[in-house]
Amino acid sequence: KAGVTQTPRYLIKTRGQQVTLSCSPISGHRSVSWYQQTPGQGLQFLFEYFSETQRNKGNFPGRFSGRQFSNSRSEMNVSTLELGDSALYLCASSLVRSNTEAFFGQGTRLTVV
Amino acid sequence: GENVGLHLPTLSVQEGDNSIINCAYSNSASDYFIWYKQESGKGPQFIIDIRSNMDKRQGQRVTVLLNKTVKHLSLQIAATQPGDSAVYFCAENIRGSQGNLIFGKGTKLSVKP
Repeated sequence: KAGVTQTPRYLIKTRGQQVTLSCSPISGHRSVSWYQQTPGQGLQFLFEYFSETQRNKGNFPGRFSGRQFSNSRSEMNVSTLELGDSALYLCASSLVRSNTEAFFGQGTRLTVV
Repeated sequence: GENVGLHLPTLSVQEGDNSIINCAYSNSASDYFIWYKQESGKGPQFIIDIRSNMDKRQGQRVTVLLNKTVKHLSLQIAATQPGDSAVYFCAENIRGSQGNLIFGKGTKLSVKP
């Protein structure tokens, strides 16, 4: 069974640009959660999607958004990039709820210059 | 790696010894806990989980102990191997919350050959 797949693995963007990251969950998993990981803040929850609906949201500005498609694949978007958005963005998939047996992808390393 | 700058607690053990990694949680309403292992450049890897109605759970070479009285969680790794070198995170779910996992800051395990 394939794991969680995130694309791209690496991205370099300039300030002010926007970026879209993609996540394909484990087959059969319906919940997708996104996390930001930085050296200073550790792993922080961004949002969770289930059945194409955002079910839970962390404490991030509105520049961070996401969506989920009918096949459970998810995308997150960051608009008007800031230097502080440089981070590893991780996607986790779960069968039903994000708080049970969440499996992570390899992450997308975003660098904002 | 992703956790440079966090001044993570570090545990250094000799190959073949047992390792014990500790985690304190603050919310008495937490009812589900997961341990993750993160190697440099990779996403967190699910190791083992435990629910609050249990105080011990064993996996392959790993044991998780939960002490709800003092809100403490530990991960024991038997016969530690060089491949166990990584950052280990505990994550908790708060009963009644909307569902996202809350992660600790992590502990870096270094295994000396």
